Amino acid sequence: QVQLVQSGAEVKAPGASVKVSCKASGYRFTDFFIHWIRQAPGQRLEWMGRVNTEDGGSQVAPKFQGRVTLTKDTSISTAYLQISRLRSDDTAVYYCAKRDFQQNWGQGTLVFVSS
Amino acid sequence: DIVMTQSPDSLAVSLGERATINCKSSQTILFTSNNKNYLAWYQQKAGQPPKLLIYWASTRESGIPDRFSGSGSGTDFTLTITNLQAEDVAVYYCQQYYSIPLTFGGGTKVEIK
Repeated sequence: QVQLVQSGAEVKAPGASVKVSCKASGYRFTDFFIHWIRQAPGQRLEWMGRVNTEDGGSQVAPKFQGRVTLTKDTSISTAYLQISRLRSDDTAVYYCAKRDFQQNWGQGTLVFVSS
Repeated sequence: DIVMTQSPDSLAVSLGERATINCKSSQTILFTSNNKNYLAWYQQKAGQPPKLLIYWASTRESGIPDRFSGSGSGTDFTLTITNLQAEDVAVYYCQQYYSIPLTFGGGTKVEIK
């Protein structure tokens, strides 16, 4: 069955960077985009961007451009979300999801930003 | 950006009754060349990731009970839960995937009356 397994929780200081991984299994990795969505405490879901798992091209929401980098490693069926210059309001659960309508989701990765 | 507006913010429904959630997009999300509405519905239970219920506005995802149904076209959409069960308590989100950035509604919390 399809599974997306994300890396574990992170605690970071403001200004630092974080890299979250998302390992896919149960389907051909290059068949579908991987999307990244975050959810701050008590807030709505917020789409961050998507990576083309075939050619590595990415599209990032304007709000996150310049701070977010989306990459992938096809050899290990893994996508990555990197956020630089973290701020306290980046504290959220970050999800990866497969396909443009998000058919399968990772379990989520809590990123906590605090001094 | 396409703004997705859901209503109501919350509703309480008796077991076995019907819940209706509305979602309105700020511009059409109907792609005329394939006649598909780029609208999905998700269910999120406390402490869990969202779960896809409906895509293309009315296509039920595999394994989703048929008491969940989606309708609408263009800019106005509805998720209907008939015969509400206790396990349907959750927050429900609509999402457009017509254009980048993808955007979600604010969510509707469904509780048991």
